[in-house]
Amino acid sequence: DSGVTQTPKHLITATGQRVTLRCSPRSGDLSVYWYQQSLDQGLQFLIQYYNGEERAKGNILERFSAQQFPDLHSELNLSSLELGDSALYFCASSGGVYIDYGYTFGSGTRLTVV
Amino acid sequence: SQQGEEDPQALSIQEGENATMNCSYKTSINNLQWYRQNSGRGLVHLILIRSNEREKHSGRLRVTLDTSKKSSSLLITASRAADTASYFCATDDTLSGANNLFFGTGTRLTVIP
Repeated sequence: DSGVTQTPKHLITATGQRVTLRCSPRSGDLSVYWYQQSLDQGLQFLIQYYNGEERAKGNILERFSAQQFPDLHSELNLSSLELGDSALYFCASSGGVYIDYGYTFGSGTRLTVV
Repeated sequence: SQQGEEDPQALSIQEGENATMNCSYKTSINNLQWYRQNSGRGLVHLILIRSNEREKHSGRLRVTLDTSKKSSSLLITASRAADTASYFCATDDTLSGANNLFFGTGTRLTVIP
C-alpha cells in the first residue's frame, strides 16, 4: 500500500456518460497530480493541485475537470465520455509544490468506455 | 513534446545478468527520476538524481546523468525475476517552470528465471 488511495479500481461506462474518480493523497502530502496512461499516448500529465489550488495544467481536455477539497482529497470528473477516454487514470501525491522529491502513486482507476 | 524517450523499448535478459536502460530528454532539468511499474499497477519511485550529480547508487540500482548530452542511464545489477516491469524516466522542466513531471515512454524489462 503506497498510502495514496484511488477509487474505484475499475469503472465501465457508456459513451456520453460522466464519471468521477477519487483520490486520497498520502498523509501529509499537499500536492496531488492526475495522470492518464493509455497504450498509444503513454503517461500524460493532466493537472496538479496544491493545498486546494490549481498549480499546473497539462493535456487536460475541456470535458475533464478536477478539484482538491479542504481535506486534500481530489476528484477528477470526466464528462461526455468517448471511447478514446478509456485508459488508466493515476493520482500521485508529493509533499511540496515543487518537484524536489519523488511522487507516490496510487494503484489507478481503469476506465473502460463502451 | 517534453517527454523523454527510453531506449530500448523492450529488453529481455536472464536472471543474474545486468540490465541497462537509457533515457534521453529535451529540456533543462532540476532533477531526473526513475520509476518502476508492474503491469497495470501504479508507478513506484526508485531513485532521483539532481542536475548537479553525475552518478547515484541505491542497492542494486546505479543511475548516471549527463546533462550535456541530456541523457541518463539506469543499471540494475544481478537482476531477478521480480525486476520484471516497465521502467520510466521522468523529468521536470526548468524553462517552463512546470510543477510536474514528464514521463518517458518506458522500457519493458523481462527477466527470465
